[in-house]
Amino acid sequence: KAGVTQTPRYLIKTRGQQVTLSCSPISGHRSVSWYQQTPGQGLQFLFEYFSETQRNKGNFPGRFSGRQFSNSRSEMNVSTLELGDSALYLCASSFGSGDYNEQFFGPGTRLTVL
Amino acid sequence: AQRVTQPEKLLSVFKGAPVELKCNYSYSGSPELFWYVQYSRQRLQLLLRHISRESIKGFTADLNKGETSFHLKKPFAQEEDSAMYYCALFMDTGRRALTFGSGTRLQVQP
Repeated sequence: KAGVTQTPRYLIKTRGQQVTLSCSPISGHRSVSWYQQTPGQGLQFLFEYFSETQRNKGNFPGRFSGRQFSNSRSEMNVSTLELGDSALYLCASSFGSGDYNEQFFGPGTRLTVL
Repeated sequence: AQRVTQPEKLLSVFKGAPVELKCNYSYSGSPELFWYVQYSRQRLQLLLRHISRESIKGFTADLNKGETSFHLKKPFAQEEDSAMYYCALFMDTGRRALTFGSGTRLQVQP
C-alpha cells in the first residue's frame, strides 16, 4: 500500500497570509489526524477527522481549521499566519476512530512564516 | 490534564550497552501507552504499544501503573537504534488523541 502523502512538502509564507495543506491517507483509512511539531512545544494534536466529521480537536485557536472529503483526503487551513505558526505539520491516518487504531504518519509539510 | 514526560533530551550510549529511555505519564483514566520512533530522514512510526506486550527490534516496555511509567529498554544497543524516540499516551475518554512526550534522542556510538 502507498503510504500517507502530504503536499506540499515545503512552504514559505508571510505573516497575515493563509495556507492550505493537504493529506492523502492510506487507501481504506477513514481517520486523519493532524499534528503540529515545533522544537519548543514538540508534537501537539490539532484535530482528527473521520468520515468527513471532526471528531476531536486540540487546543489551537480558530485560525486552524480543517476538513475531510468523501475520499478521506483531508486539508488543513491556517488563516492570518503568525511567525509562531512556523512548524512541521504532520498528518496521520488510521483505519478507524474512537478506540486506538495504529496511526501511520506522513512525511510532513514544513511551513515557514516570514 | 494528561501529560507525558520524557526527562532526557539526549541519551548517548556505546554499542552493546543497555539502554533505558524514560517515560512518565499523568492521567487519571486507563491509559494506552506507545513508543514511536523516528529514524533519520524517515517518518514517525509506531515501535510498540503496551497492550501488545511484545518485543520489537529487541526493545521492550512495561507499563507500571504504580509509578506511572512506561520506560523503553533494550539490553544491548545497536548503532542502527540511533533515532528520536517519543512516548505517547492515548486516553480512553474525552479527547481521544495521542499526547506525545517531548522526545529523547538516542545516540549509539560505535
